[in-house]
Parts: sequence; structure tokens; C-alpha cells
Amino acid sequence: DGGITQSPKYLFRKEGQNVTLSCEQNLNHDAMYWYRQDPGQGLRLIYYSQIVNDFQKGDIAEGYSVSREKKESFPLTVTSAQKNPTAFYLCASSSTWGRREQYFGPGTRLTVT
Amino acid sequence: AQTVTQSQPEMSVQEAETVTLSCTYDTSESDYYLFWYKQPPSRQMILVIRQEAYKQQNATENRFSVNFQKAAKSFSLKISDSQLGDAAMYFCAYRSAEEYGNKLVFGAGTILRVKS
Repeated sequence: DGGITQSPKYLFRKEGQNVTLSCEQNLNHDAMYWYRQDPGQGLRLIYYSQIVNDFQKGDIAEGYSVSREKKESFPLTVTSAQKNPTAFYLCASSSTWGRREQYFGPGTRLTVT
Repeated sequence: AQTVTQSQPEMSVQEAETVTLSCTYDTSESDYYLFWYKQPPSRQMILVIRQEAYKQQNATENRFSVNFQKAAKSFSLKISDSQLGDAAMYFCAYRSAEEYGNKLVFGAGTILRVKS
């Protein structure tokens, strides 16, 4: 089945540690996105990539980093510089032509204590 | 920068009744797309309906329809014959047709509760 996978579903880390969230898609989409969801704030864009080996900062990129070495994969690293990392993280992908709808993965809940 | 506002944090509807969720947005662009996404308790984001700004006709998908008022920058979602499975968080979202990146700007969401 085609889709987007995010692993793990729940992730726990100690403060001061970097952590990497996985996002893989087999939809043959060129574009991929990372969003953060906090209660009462909707989804906010962290980083996005329209093509392999290229990515841009979104609205809240501070404390995060990404890479896009393969079309299928767009991992997000939450660094120790991120002041409030506990949140629900959603990955999405889309085509860069036609309707360009964004399809979302199931999300990862990150808790940092 | 574009903004999306959903002024109703929570709404309730009786099963089989109709409910309307409100959304307003702010943009200086003339070409854009608007969306409603549903997020059930599983937290999976599901696209409900989309509207192209250049189309005057309101989009419809089965029991879901929109009232798109471009001049007023309003984009409400009407759910007819509400079902228990409609209970979810609903997000309104904007996407520019002019900016690079295909980025979505989301509202804060409206929780919809469906009573049996």
C-alpha cells in the first residue's frame, strides 16, 4: 500500500538530548513537509523540501534540523536548542504538479522530560 | 503573511442535524486554495474538501459543502446529516498558488462533538 510512515508513534527523551524522527513515503512525491501541533494552535510548518538535497525553513525552524538525501525520506532532528520540544509532529508529502494535495503520516508524539 | 482564523474552539451537533464551522482568512493574493481537514481521535489528518479561489461555485463532497465568500474572505464548512463518525477536530487551511513551496497555513481548529 502507498502511504507515509512515521516512527515511532511515541518517543520519550531526556532534556539535552537530540532526537531524530523518521518519515518515509512511497507515494513517489517530490515534496515533503514537517509540521508541529500543539494544543490550541493548529499545525505550524517547521521545514519543507520540494526536491532531494534541498530544503527550506518554515515558520518555526529554530532548534530543528532536517536532511533530504533520498526522495522517500525526510528525517527531522529535534536538537537540545529547541526550548519546548514536547509536541505532536506530523510529516506530509505532496506532488509538485497537478493538484498537489498534501497527504499526512500518522504522527509522532515526542515527550521530553 | 497569510493568516487563518477559526473563531469557534468547540461546536456540538445532534446526530442527523446540520452544523456549520466558520473560517476566515487574511491574504493579499488573488489566487489560492482553501481546505478543510479532519483530525479524528486517531490524530490522522484527512482531507475533507478543497476550494479553488478562482472558482465561484462552492465545493461539495457528499454531506460536506462549503460557503466560499471571496470578498469577505470567509470559508465555512457545512456538515449535513451529522454522524457519530464526524466527531473530530476540524482545521481550515490556506495554500498560496503564487508562493514557492506548496505550504499550508492552518487555523487553530474547531472541536466538533456529535451527540446521539
